[in-house]
Amino acid sequence: SQQGEEDPQALSIQEGENATMNCSYKTSINNLQWYRQNSGRGLVHLILIRSNEREKHSGRLRVTLDTSKKSSSLLITASRAADTASYFCATDWQGAQKLVFGQGTRLTINP
Amino acid sequence: GAGVSQSPSNKVTEKGKDVELRCDPISGHTALYWYRQSLGQGLEFLIYFQGNSAPDKSGLPSDRFSAERTGGSVSTLTIQRTQQEDSAVYLCASSLGIGGGAQHFGDGTRLSIL
Repeated sequence: SQQGEEDPQALSIQEGENATMNCSYKTSINNLQWYRQNSGRGLVHLILIRSNEREKHSGRLRVTLDTSKKSSSLLITASRAADTASYFCATDWQGAQKLVFGQGTRLTINP
Repeated sequence: GAGVSQSPSNKVTEKGKDVELRCDPISGHTALYWYRQSLGQGLEFLIYFQGNSAPDKSGLPSDRFSAERTGGSVSTLTIQRTQQEDSAVYLCASSLGIGGGAQHFGDGTRLSIL
């Protein structure tokens, strides 16, 4: 079974607004990553946050990690129509490089 | 090319036939992964290769599934005696394989079993 669960399953907002997606996991992790998937395409890596980090930024992306709550959030600021995609969190743990993915959040940005 | 390449992009076959899916990873990446994604779902880990080490096959759903990686580069995922529940998108990824890190994905093979 998959370790990650994402919330919400679907999110629809207006262009220019901020989008927040959440991810929860069950066991101790080494790293947590966020990926984007456009329809019919493979996944694109967005950002990686290590278990000893609490927050990370990359352009319009902000990721937080709370290991005590086993949760992470991805914030996309000033959303654009091109941000429309599915977003997945993925975790790995010490000694294992395979990733365990959540079910994903389907984000729609309305122009 | 610079990215992970998968072929074919689409495959339609009859139940009971064998299929082979191919993955060309990014040059220099020592780690290679296969995942399966059912419609509207997240990714399910299948198998992982790291250098010359024995592969991690813990995600293969049955003995009808097998994979090999020749010369530390190209990988082939084989599904024997296909069943309708095997219909999914099969995604391959590669990475530098050092301490985890970002995985780079191909666009997948969409497999449909009639």
